[in-house]
Amino acid sequence: DAGITQSPRHKVTETGTPVTLRCHQTENHRYMYWYRQDPGHGLRLIHYSYGVKDTDKGEVSDGYSVSRSKTEDFLLTLESATSSQTSVYFCAISDSPLETQYFGPGTRLTVL
Amino acid sequence: EDQVTQSPEALRLQEGESSSLNCSYTVSGLRGLFWYRQDPGKGPEFLFTLYSAGEEKEKERLKATLTKKESFLHITAPKPEDSATYLCAVQAGSGGYNKLIFGAGTRLAVHP
Repeated sequence: DAGITQSPRHKVTETGTPVTLRCHQTENHRYMYWYRQDPGHGLRLIHYSYGVKDTDKGEVSDGYSVSRSKTEDFLLTLESATSSQTSVYFCAISDSPLETQYFGPGTRLTVL
Repeated sequence: EDQVTQSPEALRLQEGESSSLNCSYTVSGLRGLFWYRQDPGKGPEFLFTLYSAGEEKEKERLKATLTKKESFLHITAPKPEDSATYLCAVQAGSGGYNKLIFGAGTRLAVHP
């Protein structure tokens, strides 16, 4: 397995509360990504990072922010969680934009 | 609009009964096509990358092929442990970031 961990693995929260998910890698890969996976949809990109403090939006970025202060850590924040953000969130890493992306184990988030 | 469609949504096979999964795509500027396997409650696990029409890759009972419009994942004499969701993703675009577009997946169940 690629050295990717996600925390927490499961979280239940209430509407309107802030939530931060963490992705940690030990592979020293430059690119990191956050996806969400919902039934009937493919994985959809939320945000990605191409270096420390370098981030950009994906296709479903509304309501999410990210930060990367170290190569190994990529944080996803829901400033004010909504029920539509109930999903499974996956972090992925790659060495370059054209290389294979390797995925973490996921975080199941439930917003009540 | 860039799109990736996988069929069938679900497939049930008897052990030893060979079949194929389909991934059709309409994208501008194909850079690569990826196949992943996903077990319940886990992150996608990388299987293959294909870059050009006519290319084939094999791993154990799995063989992936690519044409200009679609890819097939052939499963020969499947075993129950091949049961999983198989995801197809297409990397498209030009320039610095080449987005990865996922299909919704095919759920494969192999029964003894």
